[in-house]
Amino acid sequence: AQSVAQPEDQVNVAEGNPLTVKCTYSVSGNPYLFWYVQYPNRGLQFLLKYITGDNLVKGSYGFEAEFNKSQTSFHLKKPSALVSDSALYFCAVKGSQGNLIFGKGTKLSVKP
Amino acid sequence: DSGVTQTPKHLITATGQRVTLRCSPRSGDLSVYWYQQSLDQGLQFLIQYYNGEERAKGNILERFSAQQFPDLHSELNLSSLELGDSALYFCASSAGAGGNNEQFFGPGTRLTVL
Repeated sequence: AQSVAQPEDQVNVAEGNPLTVKCTYSVSGNPYLFWYVQYPNRGLQFLLKYITGDNLVKGSYGFEAEFNKSQTSFHLKKPSALVSDSALYFCAVKGSQGNLIFGKGTKLSVKP
Repeated sequence: DSGVTQTPKHLITATGQRVTLRCSPRSGDLSVYWYQQSLDQGLQFLIQYYNGEERAKGNILERFSAQQFPDLHSELNLSSLELGDSALYFCASSAGAGGNNEQFFGPGTRLTVL
């Protein structure tokens, strides 16, 4: 069965520093991977996806993610964090029925 | 703004009652997905409709049902409500049926069962 794991409940970063939010996946076959962000009292916003091709995927708001097949990981990264990046981040994998299977979420806190 | 609308934004009701949540997908999207978000279960897939037909079913209780109408809006019906049904309910839409396209989420309906 497909699944994703986000090993960190919370990540704390100083503004201007690089950030990484970790995600590992377990799928049979080729994975279709997604990152979403949720701001308080809002719906989820799509950031980026990996279907095939280049292992480095660029997305919205300066975020990127690196697909690593050997480590079954899809970590979200940003070179320079902003206070406004503080939110809940979800990694997801496409399930066998076409739905999204989400991780538990990682709360990102960026301090000035 | 994702282009997906959900009404109502908040719903407070009592145990045993029945409620209907409504979702309008983005213009042109044929798929509608329903998800439940709760603190203990996280984000769980409930059900998917594609162009009016049920396409996939997830962890949806028998007390819950959904449908998609000819104008592509969808409704999620929750009946015999229990305290544990209190959650945020999201719908999402996408262009295709297979899940390769990103899904665009509505703002959610927060259901509180007292």
